[in-house]
Amino acid sequence: QKEVEQNSGPLSVPEGAIASLNCTYSDRGSQSFFWYRQYSGKSPELIMSIYSNGDKEDGRFTAQLNKASQYVSLLIRDSQPSDSATYLCAVHPSGGSYIPTFGRGTSLIVHP
Amino acid sequence: DVKVTQSSRYLVKRTGEKVFLECVQDMDHENMFWYRQDPGLGLRLIYFSYDVKMKEKGDIPEGYSVSREKKERFSLILESASTNQTSMYLCASSLTINEKLFFGSGTQLSVL
Repeated sequence: QKEVEQNSGPLSVPEGAIASLNCTYSDRGSQSFFWYRQYSGKSPELIMSIYSNGDKEDGRFTAQLNKASQYVSLLIRDSQPSDSATYLCAVHPSGGSYIPTFGRGTSLIVHP
Repeated sequence: DVKVTQSSRYLVKRTGEKVFLECVQDMDHENMFWYRQDPGLGLRLIYFSYDVKMKEKGDIPEGYSVSREKKERFSLILESASTNQTSMYLCASSLTINEKLFFGSGTQLSVL
């Protein structure tokens, strides 16, 4: 069974700090990786996608992918209270499957 | 922007009722998904569809069926609602495989 693992948290960081969220996956052939943010009572929304090894930056967000070690991470710089949410990691497996596998999410709390 | 619209935000039904949850997307996406989300369990895939009239079971299809008669519409049917189907139901769509998912706003279903 293809699995995606995330620490459920909560991860608590002070405002202005860097929040680091991690995700590991079991399917070595996975090709596409996504981070979604979900506020309480709302639906998930995409914040980052990454397809190749290395870093990808978008504003305060950086996604990092290491296929050899089978992990993907999300860094949030200058964390704000509005970043407080659950972050879901999604991995699209190999073999042309239509179905992404989601981790259970990490709860992030940014306190003033 | 892609819009995924779910017909109801909140729904209350009685045990044994037949329940229809409707989802419509406006961007000609190939793939559509139905998930349920429960605290601590993350997103669990019920059914997905990769084309009109094509469907495949996800991880938890028992007690559910789906219908996709038109490309833009994907319906989830609870044949005989039970209290253990009380949950948040999320519809999503994607353009092709390995693409990000766009989620609807969700339907919070309570079965009494």
